[in-house]
Amino acid sequence: DIVMIQSPDSLTVSLGERATINCKSSQSVLNSARTKSLVGWYQQKPGQPPKLIISGASARESGVPDRFSGSGSGTDFTLTISSLQAEDVAVYYCHQYYNSPQTFGQGTKVEIK
Amino acid sequence: QVQLVQSGAELKTPGASVKLSCKTSGYSFSNNVISWLRQVPGQGPEWMGRVFPSSGGTYYSPRFQHRVTMTRDTSVSTVYMELSSLRSDDTAVYYCARGDVFDFWGQGTLVTVS
Repeated sequence: DIVMIQSPDSLTVSLGERATINCKSSQSVLNSARTKSLVGWYQQKPGQPPKLIISGASARESGVPDRFSGSGSGTDFTLTISSLQAEDVAVYYCHQYYNSPQTFGQGTKVEIK
Repeated sequence: QVQLVQSGAELKTPGASVKLSCKTSGYSFSNNVISWLRQVPGQGPEWMGRVFPSSGGTYYSPRFQHRVTMTRDTSVSTVYMELSSLRSDDTAVYYCARGDVFDFWGQGTLVTVS
C-alpha cells in the first residue's frame, strides 16, 4: 500500500496569514502519461463528510476559493491557504488515487491563533 | 444536483452483519464508480472498495475482501455495502463517495458494534 504522511499534524495560524500543509507519498503517484500526480486534497469540518478541494495535485474544484492552491509532483505535495479565513478551520487530508487500495494521510488540523 | 443519500444509523452486536445503502441522483448512475469508505473519529478515511454501476463489477481492499460485499440496483440508482463478522473495531462512520477522486460524498452512516 502507498503510505501518505502529512506534516504537521496540527497548525495554528493567524487570520490572514498563510497556512502550508505537506504530504509525502511512499512511492511516486505520477500517472502513466506523466502529466499529473493522482493526489487529492480534502477539507473536513466536524460532523460533515470530507469535501474535495484539489484534484490532480493542483486543480482547484469548482466553487473553491482561490486562496486554496495545490502543488507538487511525484512524491511531495503541498496544500497552501494563502490568507486564512475563519471558515477554513478544519482538518485537511491528502489522498492518493494512483492505485488501490487508495490511501489517505492522517490529517492536519488547522486552527486560528 | 448530484446527491448521495445513505441509510440510517445501525447498532449491531459482534458477529452480526450490516447492510448499508447509498441512493444516488442528479447524474448518470452507470457512468461513475462508487466507493465505500469508513472513518473512525480522529483518523483519516479508509477506503474499503468500489463498485462499477454499469457492470456490477467490484474491487475490494485486501483488508476487507473476505467479509465485504458491494452490489448495486440500477433500477433505483442505489449501491449497497454489506460487512459481515462485525467486531467492536468496525464501529465507525461509513461513507459512499463518487468517482476515482471523491467529488461527492454521502452524509455518512454511523455503525456501532457493541
